[in-house]
Amino acid sequence: NAGVTQTPKFQVLKTGQSMTLQCAQDMNHEYMSWYRQDPGMGLRLIHYSVGAGITDQGEVPNGYNVSRSTTEDFPLRLLSAAPSQTSVYFCASSFRQGKAFFGQGTRLTVV
Amino acid sequence: GQNIDQPTEMTATEGAIVQINCTYQTSGFNGLFWYQQHAGEAPTFLSYNVLDGLEEKGRFSSFLSRSKGYSYLLLKELQMKDSASYLCAVRDLLGGGADGLTFGKGTHLIIQP
Repeated sequence: NAGVTQTPKFQVLKTGQSMTLQCAQDMNHEYMSWYRQDPGMGLRLIHYSVGAGITDQGEVPNGYNVSRSTTEDFPLRLLSAAPSQTSVYFCASSFRQGKAFFGQGTRLTVV
Repeated sequence: GQNIDQPTEMTATEGAIVQINCTYQTSGFNGLFWYQQHAGEAPTFLSYNVLDGLEEKGRFSSFLSRSKGYSYLLLKELQMKDSASYLCAVRDLLGGGADGLTFGKGTHLIIQP
């Protein structure tokens, strides 16, 4: 089973560029979330979705957009990258409020 | 909101036992998770407690006291591969998010020979 798949694994962007981080899960999970992880800060919730067509903001949503057109996919878009968005991004999915399964992460550097 | 505290770093010896504590404050508590995260990798699920008491799973055990807002993760017979960060996460039904999870900052566990 593939579980949660994130692409790319590494990315370098210039300030002001846009990009989309991809996340796909094959477990038919309703719930999907995006987190960022920074040193000393722990995992912080960016956006989440409780099902196709439904998204909402988490703790640190500014500068990011999401959509959920299918159960499987939950892409995260950076509209205009800033150095403050340099981080490791994790996508997670769960069956309702069961344990969360995480993707392998995307290491993003904005220069 | 939620407040989750756990030690930043701990050191233990191979073969020994270590206890990692987690205290939390939350308004709509509905479970506590422990995750393990090796450097450069994704968090992986270790344990889940929703009722008071001890849950044992092999070398790992997790304890919860809801009245005290306290949990611990106990690792026995430590191995070098247990060197990792251990994340405490509380589910709060009133805290928002798809799964309502709020994570602590993690405890970096160093195992020495």
